[in-house]
Amino acid sequence: GNSVTQMEGPVTLSEEAFLTINCTYTATGYPSLFWYVQYPGEGLQLLLKATKADDKGSNKGFEATYRKETTSFHLEKGSVQVSDSAVYFCALAFGNTGNQFYFGTGTSLTVIP
Amino acid sequence: KAGVTQTPRYLIKTRGQQVTLSCSPISGHRSVSWYQQTPGQGLQFLFEYFSETQRNKGNFPGRFSGRQFSNSRSEMNVSTLELGDSALYLCASSNGGTGGLGPLHFGNGTRLTVT
Repeated sequence: GNSVTQMEGPVTLSEEAFLTINCTYTATGYPSLFWYVQYPGEGLQLLLKATKADDKGSNKGFEATYRKETTSFHLEKGSVQVSDSAVYFCALAFGNTGNQFYFGTGTSLTVIP
Repeated sequence: KAGVTQTPRYLIKTRGQQVTLSCSPISGHRSVSWYQQTPGQGLQFLFEYFSETQRNKGNFPGRFSGRQFSNSRSEMNVSTLELGDSALYLCASSNGGTGGLGPLHFGNGTRLTVT
């Protein structure tokens, strides 16, 4: 079947620290991969995506590379800010079957000044 | 542009009752999906509607059903409520075309509590 596994949270970092949130997936085909973010009091929103192996998605200083050989899509940021405090969700979906997304359980990040 | 609107924000129901949740997508979006969010399971896909037709369905019992109207607004119904149905129900709309993936735009959800 299809599933996504994320590292357990919560994660607490100091401002300007390096962030990695691990995400691995199991899929029956060749999915597109996504990171969604939920800021406090807001709905989930797309952070970045990658549609094929070796693609790198990037946005707001965050990056993730689609690694087919390790079935991973780890989220990284070189220097986090307090405003990055949120819950991050890794997800996969297949482009030929409509909008059926498989989400991980989410990783809560708190950045302290 | 107005975002995805879900009503009501909160619901408290008793076991055995039924409930209807409503979702108004972003104008022009034809795809509406529903997800159940719980602390232990994360987001789980319920179903997706596109142009009034169910395009995808997740692994939920038949007590969970939905529909989409000609204006793309969608409703989700849960019959014979169980305690385990307590969750945050999220609606997401997308402008992805036929068979295509579009980024999901989520509402703030309806918090359902079953007592």
